[in-house]
Amino acid sequence: QVQLVQSGAEVKKPGASVKVSCKASGYTFTSYGISWVRQAPGQGLEWMGWISAYNGNTNYAQKLQGRVTMTTDTSTSTAYMELRSLRSDDTAVYYCARGGGGGYDLWGQGTLVTVSS
Amino acid sequence: EIVLTQSPDFQSVTPKEKVTITCRASQSIGSSLHWYQQKPDQSPKLLIKYASQSISGVPSRFSGSGSGTDFTLTINSLEAEDAATYYCHQSSSSPYTFGQGTKLEIK
Repeated sequence: QVQLVQSGAEVKKPGASVKVSCKASGYTFTSYGISWVRQAPGQGLEWMGWISAYNGNTNYAQKLQGRVTMTTDTSTSTAYMELRSLRSDDTAVYYCARGGGGGYDLWGQGTLVTVSS
Repeated sequence: EIVLTQSPDFQSVTPKEKVTITCRASQSIGSSLHWYQQKPDQSPKLLIKYASQSISGVPSRFSGSGSGTDFTLTINSLEAEDAATYYCHQSSSSPYTFGQGTKLEIK
């Protein structure tokens, strides 16, 4: 079955880091990029960046530069997104999606990250 | 950064009605425009890619058109299950921004 399965919800304190995983199955992992999109409560979609699962090249949203790192582990077909120095406005559902520059045709179920003291 | 502006923000429509949602880009993006549907508590779903390319499994009542700066998502003969928020998304220039969303309510 072609799917992306994400790790579970996280609660973090301001200043901490979070690492969300996204495990792919049912397709050749290295043939597609993985993008990350987040959605704050009641808000729209925000593009965070993407990583090529083929060669590891990344493209991050400038507003997150220096705080976000996207990686992949091709041996387990898993992508990771780490966000550091968390703030309250980082509270959101984080999605991984298949695709780099084009339309994202496969999405994970989302991971809620709550940042609260 | 390319800004995508959708209109309307909200629309209340009746079943079988034809619906048109527009997305205007702040600069030309060619055909690098995609449309998604998101229902409450669900992940987004790709409806149309590259402005007008259909997606396997998506009902044929959904279609897209446009190029450059002006794009349209059309839903012919609306069904109750189409109640959702619709987003446009550009992949012409990083950051790959999304529109603010259009919420469709079915009367």
